[in-house]
Amino acid sequence: QVQLVQSEAEVKKPGSSVEVSCKAFGGTFSSYSITWVRQAPGQGLEWMGRNIPIFNTVNYAQKFQGRITITADESTGTVFMELNSLRSEDTAVYYCARDPGGDVGHWFFDIWGRGTLVTVSS
Amino acid sequence: QSALTQPASVSGSPGQSIIISCTGTSSDIGSFNFVSWYQQHPGEAPKLIIYEVTKRPSGVSNRFSGSKSGNTASLIISGLQAEDEADYYCCSYAGTYTAIFGGGTKLTVL
Repeated sequence: QVQLVQSEAEVKKPGSSVEVSCKAFGGTFSSYSITWVRQAPGQGLEWMGRNIPIFNTVNYAQKFQGRITITADESTGTVFMELNSLRSEDTAVYYCARDPGGDVGHWFFDIWGRGTLVTVSS
Repeated sequence: QSALTQPASVSGSPGQSIIISCTGTSSDIGSFNFVSWYQQHPGEAPKLIIYEVTKRPSGVSNRFSGSKSGNTASLIISGLQAEDEADYYCCSYAGTYTAIFGGGTKLTVL
């Protein structure tokens, strides 16, 4: 069974960037896509974007266009999410999750990482 | 794009059934059968419990079921148990290769 292991918590200054990684253990990305979802403290889930590693295709939520970059390193089975121009409102737990549907997408997320807390504070 | 609309909270007694609604628009829930539901306990990652409106992943209790009518999807939990107390989120494909979540519903088992 594939497990998604995320990088450790980060503390960042406003205006800086953060990169969170998500590595697949126990399997490969194959034809899956990896989605990023964030959850601010005490708030709900927010879809940010997705990457289909084998096709090198990305799609982003309009809210994050221009500030987010999702890339993949197929050789290591790792997907990266970079968010720029950080502000305090970006303080959240960032999750990666697998959509088993590849480029078409099944649009459900069956395997999740444990989350990475990103704190933005001066 | 605004989040899908869910009630902030619902409650029920053990053994009862409850329904959590998730209202979207004709651009998301109304146009696609890609509605999924997630259960999240405090401090944990979300867990998939319903996908493609009505399907249950292997290992998920058959006390959980889903449906959809027009722009509204629903999660039904029957035979409520203490361990069902959690936050529940709906999610829908929203077109142009994007998805959208609901605001979440806190379920309290009395």
